[in-house]
Amino acid sequence: EPEVTQTPSHQVTQMGQEVILRCVPISNHLYFYWYRQILGQKVEFLVSFYNNEISEKSEIFDDQFSVERPDGSNFTLKIRSTKLEDSAMYFCASNKGASNQPQHFGDGTRLSIL
Amino acid sequence: SQQGEEDPQALSIQEGENATMNCSYKTSINNLQWYRQNSGRGLVHLILIRSNEREKHSGRLRVTLDTSKKSSSLLITASRAADTASYFCATFWTDKLIFGTGTRLQVFP
Repeated sequence: EPEVTQTPSHQVTQMGQEVILRCVPISNHLYFYWYRQILGQKVEFLVSFYNNEISEKSEIFDDQFSVERPDGSNFTLKIRSTKLEDSAMYFCASNKGASNQPQHFGDGTRLSIL
Repeated sequence: SQQGEEDPQALSIQEGENATMNCSYKTSINNLQWYRQNSGRGLVHLILIRSNEREKHSGRLRVTLDTSKKSSSLLITASRAADTASYFCATFWTDKLIFGTGTRLQVFP
């Protein structure tokens, strides 16, 4: 069964550095998402992306965050200047259509900011 | 917060018993979904129930939805040790999933 794949599985970065998290969504999916989960807390929505543009974003997704689909397969999340509070698991998800379709999640990237 | 709580926060049962988890939410929804998360892994979709549906079954899973009370329940029948995981409800509205706090289920062999 097709899967959403995320790399790296674990990223350790110094505070203030830029980080790029990578995702390869399922190939025939059209909608792409990023979520994060701070240790011990609930999964939080960051951003949704469709037709090469952001369709919705949360308050968390401020100017330090950006997303890009640079080619036909990758979907990236960039954090420009990381803060300690950005430490979390970041999950990428995709689905065929936005509503009434399940979202398929990758196994996540654990981001640790030192 | 747009999402309510799930209860219980933690549930421990013996293999073969049924497990029931409840979820409350606050916003309008297109649908409500349940996901499972094994430790250190991503979320696995279990079942989706649309806002105009009241009950749905999938294998050993039964989900109910009461939109008047803004609540849902997930029943896992005849539980197995492999069902040990965290379970999350998530409401879908506009273009995003809003997750609950989750229930940690431990099934003892």
